[in-house]
Amino acid sequence: GAVVSQHPSWVICKSGTSVKIECRSLDFQATTMFWYRQFPKQSLMLMATSNEGSKATYEQGVEKDKFLINHASLTLSTLTVTSAHPEDSSFYICSARDRVGTNTGELFFGEGSRLTVL
Amino acid sequence: AQSVTQPDIHITVSEGASLELRCNYSYGATPYLFWYVQSPGQGLQLLLKYFSGDTLVQGIKGFEAEFKRSQSSFNLRKPSVHWSDAAEYFCAVGALGGGSQGNLIFGKGTKLSVKP
Repeated sequence: GAVVSQHPSWVICKSGTSVKIECRSLDFQATTMFWYRQFPKQSLMLMATSNEGSKATYEQGVEKDKFLINHASLTLSTLTVTSAHPEDSSFYICSARDRVGTNTGELFFGEGSRLTVL
Repeated sequence: AQSVTQPDIHITVSEGASLELRCNYSYGATPYLFWYVQSPGQGLQLLLKYFSGDTLVQGIKGFEAEFKRSQSSFNLRKPSVHWSDAAEYFCAVGALGGGSQGNLIFGKGTKLSVKP
């Protein structure tokens, strides 16, 4: 099956610094990628939809200046948490849809990135 | 409103026993339905999916699910649970189309514990 890779899988940073998380589709092209946030023992909450070559679409309540998303190519989307604070500590997961299989609705998920802000 | 409900937050079963995880959905269009499994600190792995056709779908690891349109349900089953099945299970519903229309709506998950 299609593979989506996230990096880093675990990151610890100091409050006030910025952290970049990468999401790559390894064996397919993804025109659309999604970024989720998952709090402990909670479901996935969609943060934003990342479209290749255009601005990301953010869900209500998600600060676009806080969570910068860049989808520069068909295989890479990045999420940058700017000026991170302890409340930003969470598990961030990305998913991608195969450009060819757009109408199937199936998404492929990355392994997730755990961010801890001290 | 579109939603997915997993009524059971936590289920404990004995190893070797049968399992059924419930999922109900509310969706305006023809739904595409998915079950994902998540181990602690890991991403999501697709167990099975329903797009059309036979309403009983087979997935990986011996799981199956049945789509019942009249009940708006897509329950996940396994005849004999293994200790390695202990994880969090998420039901999700999606639709055709690209962009945000193709995103999935997730239930809150059911945590499965397996007793030896």
